[in-house]
Amino acid sequence: GQNIDQPTEMTATEGAIVQINCTYQTSGFNGLFWYQQHAGEAPTFLSYNVLDGLEEKGRFSSFLSRSKGYSYLLLKELQMKDSASYLCAVNRPEYGNKLVFGAGTILRVKS
Amino acid sequence: DARVTQTPRHKVTEMGQEVTMRCQPILGHNTVFWYRQTMMQGLELLAYFRNRAPLDDSGMPKDRFSAEMPDATLATLKIQPSEPRDSAVYFCASGSESYEQYFGPGTRLTVT
Repeated sequence: GQNIDQPTEMTATEGAIVQINCTYQTSGFNGLFWYQQHAGEAPTFLSYNVLDGLEEKGRFSSFLSRSKGYSYLLLKELQMKDSASYLCAVNRPEYGNKLVFGAGTILRVKS
Repeated sequence: DARVTQTPRHKVTEMGQEVTMRCQPILGHNTVFWYRQTMMQGLELLAYFRNRAPLDDSGMPKDRFSAEMPDATLATLKIQPSEPRDSAVYFCASGSESYEQYFGPGTRLTVT
């Protein structure tokens, strides 16, 4: 089976740093993805972690600990346009690399 | 700028009617996914193709839904007959061996 858990909602202030956590329990694992989805739009790729550690890409960083089944997405210097839903997804190799998505975390950035 | 395209972008239909949604994956991508997104269920995988062959359609109600890839540039998702509970946004995504998936803009379906 699989469980992917994320907080439902978070609120943060413009210019601040926010960390969105994701925990997962899967019998197979071949990487963890983070996607951003603005209201009424399609998900867009943010990051991919397959090994433990931190991947940094501009204002966004993603961390993975496979032994703990844990990842986080770190957003720095928050901007109003970062208000969106952030989806954590796990790649399941035993199902032909299908992605299983969490329910998403709605991030609201306030001024 | 290569993108996944989907048609139609919006569809309103009456219960019992057939609905066909189309997707053109990014040229060169060998995997195509169909997802459904609702407020209640989130993003759910319906069907998945690799090199045009269906690999997984366990998420799809087989009695009314069907997914096909008649050629490498076209994937279709059909609902017959449609029901109000099918109202959702249907996304197509394509990818290659890098595992990253690129999503199309979606088809917003409303069944009355």
